Amino acid sequence: DAGVIQSPRHEVTEMGQEVTLRCKPISGHDYLFWYRQTMMRGLELLIYFNNNVPIDDSGMPEDRFSAKMPNASFSTLKIQPSEPRDSAVYFCASSFGTVGNIQYFGAGTRLSVL
Amino acid sequence: GESVGLHLPTLSVQEGDNSIINCAYSNSASDYFIWYKQESGKGPQFIIDIRSNMDKRQGQRVTVLLNKTVKHLSLQIAATQPGDSAVYFCAELTGGYQKVTFGIGTKLQVIP
Repeated sequence: DAGVIQSPRHEVTEMGQEVTLRCKPISGHDYLFWYRQTMMRGLELLIYFNNNVPIDDSGMPEDRFSAKMPNASFSTLKIQPSEPRDSAVYFCASSFGTVGNIQYFGAGTRLSVL
Repeated sequence: GESVGLHLPTLSVQEGDNSIINCAYSNSASDYFIWYKQESGKGPQFIIDIRSNMDKRQGQRVTVLLNKTVKHLSLQIAATQPGDSAVYFCAELTGGYQKVTFGIGTKLQVIP
């Protein structure tokens, strides 16, 4: 299994631009998580899905952030418009069965907003 | 200017020695705990877990201890190797495993 696949690995954009991060979870996993990691705040859970349905989005910082999961094998995290304070590494993770089961993380997308 | 970020606790250990990484969790209702390892440029990777009805769990070269009285978790790594150099996170789950919270992490540096 290829594991959780994220793209792109690196993204550099200018303030005000739309950014879309992509994630392909491990096949068969029914939970998908989006995290943000920064030096200021560490690793934060933004949102998670169960069977493609958003369950808890309380970690999404503001309306500029949105996440979708149109099918079991694909999810996106979109930031529109992006701001320099959104610069971080964004991780996607997936798990099977419950939130408490082992989460498998992707390699992350390093986002720099200039 | 330079941003102020988290100052990760750092543990420096000689190769071959045992390492003990500590974590204080916040919610007394947390019922499940997981340790993750994050190497530079990679995502976190599961190491070991423990449920709240246990005090100790052992894996290969790793042991997790849970002290619910003082809300403390520790990860012990035996015979630390250079490949163990990474940031280690504890995560706690609450609400029937519906809410996961990560600690700030501890950086482990192994001195060859």
